[in-house]
Amino acid sequence: DQQVKQNSPSLSVQEGRISILNCDYTNSMFDYFLWYKKYPAEGPTFLISISSIKDKNEDGRFTVFLNKSAKHLSLHIVPSQPGDSAVYFCAASPPSGNTGKLIFGQGTTLQVKP
Amino acid sequence: KAGVTQTPRYLIKTRGQQVTLSCSPISGHRSVSWYQQTPGQGLQFLFEYFSETQRNKGNFPGRFSGRQFSNSRSEMNVSTLELGDSALYLCASSLSNTEAFFGQGTRLTVV
Repeated sequence: DQQVKQNSPSLSVQEGRISILNCDYTNSMFDYFLWYKKYPAEGPTFLISISSIKDKNEDGRFTVFLNKSAKHLSLHIVPSQPGDSAVYFCAASPPSGNTGKLIFGQGTTLQVKP
Repeated sequence: KAGVTQTPRYLIKTRGQQVTLSCSPISGHRSVSWYQQTPGQGLQFLFEYFSETQRNKGNFPGRFSGRQFSNSRSEMNVSTLELGDSALYLCASSLSNTEAFFGQGTRLTVV
């Protein structure tokens, strides 16, 4: 049973445009969500997070939106740059509030074309 | 501040052997978690250690084990290796309720 789902395996956008990556979850008790970026053969790099008590968090070009009623979160990257090309994972922290155990989606490969 | 360090970066082992991977967390981080990444299964949680105690465990067989030392460094061990254990093994460290930071990973190939 996949509790965190990224239904789009890939996304291609033009440089300078907006990239929107989506993530759905099934457990309404998740209380913390994170986005990671990953290059092949490297560890994931933390991008941005959001607590379940918020609906938006912004950090530079990255904004995460959380819709608790829809159990959906999205990552917006504006403007997109070629260096953003990577695999993006969303992750959820179980209700204990302990980020030592994260449940990951399957990832979305973003390609930003120059 | 140094990041999470995993050693070795690459490892080739034969079926039936055992392997030990090492992880040094970010200074001050007491939680160390291990994940397995494979093409088919994505990133899957193995276990988490906090203050030398296993705090969480994923759905992996008993061949996968770990431990944490008093300096928060952690090791994971896989015994009786199978071909399917070939994967990128990732270690992450965190303070209790904050973001987890990952190391570069250890690429294990079982032949």
